[in-house]
Amino acid sequence: RKEVEQDPGPFNVPEGATVAFNCTYSNSASQSFFWYRQDCRKEPKLLMSVYSSGNEDGRFTAQLNRASQYISLLIRDSKLSDSATYLCAVNYGGSQGNLIFGKGTKLSVKP
Amino acid sequence: SQTIHQWPATLVQPVGSPLSLECTVEGTSNPNLYWYRQAAGRGLQLLFYSVGIGQISSEVPQNLSASRPQDRQFILSSKKLLLSDSGFYLCAWSLLGSGGNTIYFGEGSWLTVV
Repeated sequence: RKEVEQDPGPFNVPEGATVAFNCTYSNSASQSFFWYRQDCRKEPKLLMSVYSSGNEDGRFTAQLNRASQYISLLIRDSKLSDSATYLCAVNYGGSQGNLIFGKGTKLSVKP
Repeated sequence: SQTIHQWPATLVQPVGSPLSLECTVEGTSNPNLYWYRQAAGRGLQLLFYSVGIGQISSEVPQNLSASRPQDRQFILSSKKLLLSDSGFYLCAWSLLGSGGNTIYFGEGSWLTVV
C-alpha cells in the first residue's frame, strides 16, 4: 500500500521560531523526495527536492533518513510569509515513478 | 522556460452535467502529464497520468476520463457530474529524467457540483 503520512498540524509558532516537519513513507524502494508549499486555494509549488546527503536553501533545510523512512523539513527564523501548508511527496515504482503526496502540514506564523 | 495553464479557474456545475477541464504546457516536448484532485480535508489524489499522445493511465475508478489529443494538451472530462466530484483539480507536468520526476502544477480549477 502506498502511504505518505504527515502530521496535519496546525503548527502555530511565533516569528523567528524554528519549526520542523516530518513525513514518513512506506515504500523502501522510493528514490525521489520533495517538499512543496501550498498557499490557501492555490496550487502547490515546489519548495525543494530532498537529497540523500541533505540540502539547504537559505532558511530551509531538508533531510532524508532512509533507515527510518522519513524526510524532514526545518525552517529557521520563521517569517509571517512562511504561513502555508507544506506537502511532502515521494515517488513510487522506480526512479521515474509517480509522486504520492502527503495531506500536508499547516504552518501558521504569528507576529 | 516551461509554463502550464489550465482553465477554467472556477466553475459551478449542476449534478448530471458534463465537465471539460483543459490544460496546456508550453516550452517543452513530450512531457508526462497528470490530473490530480484535492478534495476538502483530503490530500492530493492522482487521477490520471499520460506519458504520450493517446496514452492514458487511470489511478482510481471513477466517472471521470482523460484524453491527450496533442503532445502538450491534457483534458479531463465527465459525462455526468456527481456531488462527490467537487474539489480542486490540478493539472501537472514533469519530464523523464528531470530531477527524479519533479512535477509542476498549473493554477488549478475549482469545481463545485450543486
